[in-house]
Amino acid sequence: GESVGLHLPTLSVQEGDNSIINCAYSNSASDYFIWYKQESGKGPQFIIDIRSNMDKRQGQRVTVLLNKTVKHLSLQIAATQPGDSAVYFCAENLGHDYKLSFGAGTTVTVRA
Amino acid sequence: DGGITQSPKYLFRKEGQNVTLSCEQNLNHDAMYWYRQDPGQGLRLIYYSQIVNDFQKGDIAEGYSVSREKKESFPLTVTSAQKNPTAFYLCASTGTGGNEQFFGPGTRLTVL
Repeated sequence: GESVGLHLPTLSVQEGDNSIINCAYSNSASDYFIWYKQESGKGPQFIIDIRSNMDKRQGQRVTVLLNKTVKHLSLQIAATQPGDSAVYFCAENLGHDYKLSFGAGTTVTVRA
Repeated sequence: DGGITQSPKYLFRKEGQNVTLSCEQNLNHDAMYWYRQDPGQGLRLIYYSQIVNDFQKGDIAEGYSVSREKKESFPLTVTSAQKNPTAFYLCASTGTGGNEQFFGPGTRLTVL
C-alpha cells in the first residue's frame, strides 16, 4: 500500500552543523505534510508543516522542502544543537478524516 | 494549561487481563486518535473519533475497544484478545478543520 517512509533510520551530526532528514512518500493525493520530533519516552511534538501547494516553508532554525515531482520531503535543521537529538517523523494527511500516515522515523544523534 | 493528558505513564498487567488507558484533552478538539508505537517503528492508528458518540477503526483495531461519551475523553481498552499488547500508546487530538495532531505524553503498557 501507499505509505510514508524515511530514507535513513539514523543520522549522526556534529554539533553546530546542519542536519538534513529525508522522507519519501507515495500517495500523490496527500495535500498536507508534517514533521514531528519525539524525545525518548515522550509524545511527538509538532515541528513544522507544509501544504502541497508550497515548495518550502521556514520556521525557527528549521526548513521543510517539498518536491512533489519525486514525492520527497525533507527537514533541514540549522546549527544542530544537543537538544535536537531525538527521533524525527514525517507524516502525510491522507485527505480524509484528518488521518495521518507516519513514517518509521529517523533517529538523530548530535555529537559534541 | 491546555493540553492532552494520558494516565498512567507506566502500566503493568498480567496476561489475559483487560486494561483501560485514559486520554483527556481540554483543547476543545473534536477529533481524537489512539496510536500504538513499537520500538524503532512509527505510529500505527488503532481507533479514531471525529465526534462524540462516534468512532472508527484504524489500521490495527483488533483486540482494542474505545468509547467517546464526552468530547474531552477517549479511553482505550486493551482486551485479552490483543495478542501482543506490550507497547507505547499515544493519544492525539485535532481541532475542527485542522490537520496538526497534538499528542499526549504516552502510556507504556507492559504485559507480564
